[in-house]
Amino acid sequence: AQSVSQHNHHVILSEAASLELGCNYSYGGTVNLFWYVQYPGQHLQLLLKYFSGDPLVKGIKGFEAEFIKSKFSFNLRKPSVQWSDTAEYFCAVTPLSGTYKYIFGTGTRLKVLA
Amino acid sequence: GAVVSQHPSWVICKSGTSVKIECRSLDFQATTMFWYRQFPKQSLMLMATSNEGSKATYEQGVEKDKFLINHASLTLSTLTVTSAHPEDSSFYICSGLEGGTEQYFGPGTRLTVT
Repeated sequence: AQSVSQHNHHVILSEAASLELGCNYSYGGTVNLFWYVQYPGQHLQLLLKYFSGDPLVKGIKGFEAEFIKSKFSFNLRKPSVQWSDTAEYFCAVTPLSGTYKYIFGTGTRLKVLA
Repeated sequence: GAVVSQHPSWVICKSGTSVKIECRSLDFQATTMFWYRQFPKQSLMLMATSNEGSKATYEQGVEKDKFLINHASLTLSTLTVTSAHPEDSSFYICSGLEGGTEQYFGPGTRLTVT
């Protein structure tokens, strides 16, 4: 079965620390990849997406992600986090097989200490 | 980006009653909409795929007679939770598929069944 793994369930960082959140998926075909953020009490917001082309994708708020096809990974990075980045982060994958269903990872709860 | 709204944002109902949640795509036509359920501190779980003018496709384990989905137009899908019970209390999120491969998410509806 297709699945998405986010290995870091809870991450606590101090402001200005660098962030890397892991995302691995299991699907052998072509996929689109997404990272979403959900701030406390708010709805999902798209951070960035990868469809094709340059595997290093830049998103909003200084986030970037790198698609490594050989590792089935799409890790999210930010060089210097801020207190306002405290939120839950979800990786999502959609296989390009016609249904366009998103498979979400379990999420990573990030807390940034001021 | 495309905008999806949901109404109501929060609803409280008594056990045994039914409640309807609306999902609207405000600035695009969504031939396909998705309904998710999110438990506290957990990821989004896809409940069903709603296609305009046809019956919804439910994910395994989701009771189609309990969660009635109607996608009557290209901008409106509704989810009716019938004979609600406290265990149905959750955060329900819809999304609309725009441009073929990308979903835009609504703000969610918090359902509390007493």
